[in-house]
Amino acid sequence: AQSVAQPEDQVNVAEGNPLTVKCTYSVSGNPYLFWYVQYPNRGLQFLLKYITGDNLVKGSYGFEAEFNKSQTSFHLKKPSALVSDSALYFCAVRDTGGGNKLTFGTGTQLKVEL
Amino acid sequence: GAVVSQHPSRVICKSGTSVKIECRSLDFQATTMFWYRQFPKQSLMLMATSNEGSKATYEQGVEKDKFLINHASLTLSTLTVASAHPEDSSFYICSARAGGAKNIQYFGAGTRLSVL
Repeated sequence: AQSVAQPEDQVNVAEGNPLTVKCTYSVSGNPYLFWYVQYPNRGLQFLLKYITGDNLVKGSYGFEAEFNKSQTSFHLKKPSALVSDSALYFCAVRDTGGGNKLTFGTGTQLKVEL
Repeated sequence: GAVVSQHPSRVICKSGTSVKIECRSLDFQATTMFWYRQFPKQSLMLMATSNEGSKATYEQGVEKDKFLINHASLTLSTLTVASAHPEDSSFYICSARAGGAKNIQYFGAGTRLSVL
């Protein structure tokens, strides 16, 4: 079975500082990994994905994530946080070993303060 | 990115009425559509997966007679909550994907259902 863990319910960071939102996964095959962001009372917006190739993936709004196979991690990062980045972030995985389902983590609330 | 339109954004209804939620992919053909339910401060729970022209596949514990899904075309799927009750109150989100598992799932803006 596939699963995703986001160990932090909330991350607080000052504007201008780098941010990291953590994600680890478990799959039986190889993973397809995704990050989404959700603003209040809205659906999810796609940020970036890892399918294969370069371990460092660049996405929307200056976000990037690094796939680390040995640590089974896919942490989301941004060099300089903005107040407008404050939102709920979800990591998701799909197992290439079978199944059509995208499994989400429990989400991490990012709060960027002035 | 691709656009998924979901309507209505909010529904308030009396207990016992049925509610239909529409999900449309506006600029791509969605071979697969997904319906999720999200409780406050929780993750998304997949309810069912549907492929165009075939019956939906429901996740364990989701009543197919309660949550009726129709995927009539490559751009439209509907979720009908039959005889809604207060415990069905939730945030429902649809998602659509073109092609295979490598591709991105795009999400609608969600529907807030409140059953009185």
